[in-house]
Amino acid sequence: EAQVTQNPRYLITVTGKKLTVTCSQNMNHEYMSWYRQDPGLGLRQIYYSMNVEVTDKGDVPEGYKVSRKEKRNFPLILESPSPNQTSLYFCASSPGPTDYEKLFFGSGTQLSVL
Amino acid sequence: QKEVEQNSGPLSVPEGAIASLNCTYSDRGSQSFFWYRQYSGKSPELIMFIYSNGDKEDGRFTAQLNKASQYVSLLIRDSQPSDSATYLCAVNSGYSTLTFGKGTMLLVSP
Repeated sequence: EAQVTQNPRYLITVTGKKLTVTCSQNMNHEYMSWYRQDPGLGLRQIYYSMNVEVTDKGDVPEGYKVSRKEKRNFPLILESPSPNQTSLYFCASSPGPTDYEKLFFGSGTQLSVL
Repeated sequence: QKEVEQNSGPLSVPEGAIASLNCTYSDRGSQSFFWYRQYSGKSPELIMFIYSNGDKEDGRFTAQLNKASQYVSLLIRDSQPSDSATYLCAVNSGYSTLTFGKGTMLLVSP
């Protein structure tokens, strides 16, 4: 089954404790992206990657890091989480950077930073 | 800053009615337009996309695009309670980026 898998589904942590949210896709997609969704602010792009070792900032990259060492994986790293990073996070992938109609979303990660 | 604007709602319609959801965008260079449905706590699900001016129909859904007015809409005919969700408008705003609106909540009452 074609899917984008995010883990964990829910995460509660404390300020300053480094964490990683994993994202993996099994569709051999070149393009992967991270979004955060906040009430009243909609979906905003954090980072995206057009291929292995190629990443770029989205609209709200501050406080986040990403890496793309393998085509299938695109982890989101919060080196020192803060309460304003409490949000619902989605990973997404598509065959190519302009294959918008084939953008697959993961199930989401609800992060709470205390 | 490229923007996509939607009325946050909620838009309330009775079962069987037509729901009309609207979206405006600021980037005249945008070429691709999308409507996603999102149930609470779930991931967005693509329901329609449109690239050319005019109407595009798929089942109970019709997307309408007017590039001159920078306006895209989604009509849902014969609305059902299961259509109750938040509808996100998205527009391509660069080579590899979709910009999303904040979404319109639709409530369909039985």
